[in-house]
Amino acid sequence: ELKVEQNPLFLSMQEGKNYTIYCNYSTTSDRLYWYRQDPGKSLESLFVLLSNGAVKQEGRLMASLDTKARLSTLHITAAVHDLSATYFCAVLQTNFGNEKLTFGTGTRLTIIP
Amino acid sequence: EAQVTQNPRYLITVTGKKLTVTCSQNMNHEYMSWYRQDPGLGLRQIYYSMNVEVTDKGDVPEGYKVSRKEKRNFPLILESPSPNQTSLYFCASSPGQGVEAPGQPQHFGDGTRLSIL
Repeated sequence: ELKVEQNPLFLSMQEGKNYTIYCNYSTTSDRLYWYRQDPGKSLESLFVLLSNGAVKQEGRLMASLDTKARLSTLHITAAVHDLSATYFCAVLQTNFGNEKLTFGTGTRLTIIP
Repeated sequence: EAQVTQNPRYLITVTGKKLTVTCSQNMNHEYMSWYRQDPGLGLRQIYYSMNVEVTDKGDVPEGYKVSRKEKRNFPLILESPSPNQTSLYFCASSPGQGVEAPGQPQHFGDGTRLSIL
């Protein structure tokens, strides 16, 4: 059974600082996704990582994937308050047409002015 | 605007009273799925559908039913709700993971918060 572990679960950081969220998964995967969720809102897709060594960047966020280590990272550069949210990684497994996403438990990020 | 629409957004009801949460997508997506989100557990898949009239169980299907009579709609039915089904529910859709659209993310609705008393 696939397990997805994220850490840290909670992260409080000052504006302007850098930090990394880690996502480890236990078995071979087809794809890895990062989502953002604001309080009371839905999940917004941030990145889709398709293959080993994939790196995607959008603004102050950069995601990478190492399929050999079964590890993805979400790096935050020079954090700003607008990035406060809960971030989820999700691993996709396709099986006879099912596109099952297994989610990590999320990292609640709070950016302090 | 491309979207997944869920209704209702909030519902408080009592044990045993049948309810339906509707989900509709306007993107002509083949694949649709239901998840529930609980604190400390992340999101877990309840049911999924690969196309019209094709549905199957996810990880936590007990106490739920679904149907897919039309491509755009995928309602979640709780025939006899119980308090352990109190949760935040999300519907999601995607075009499918075929070669034509590899890696497309699943699009999520805004969520339905259910409280079963």
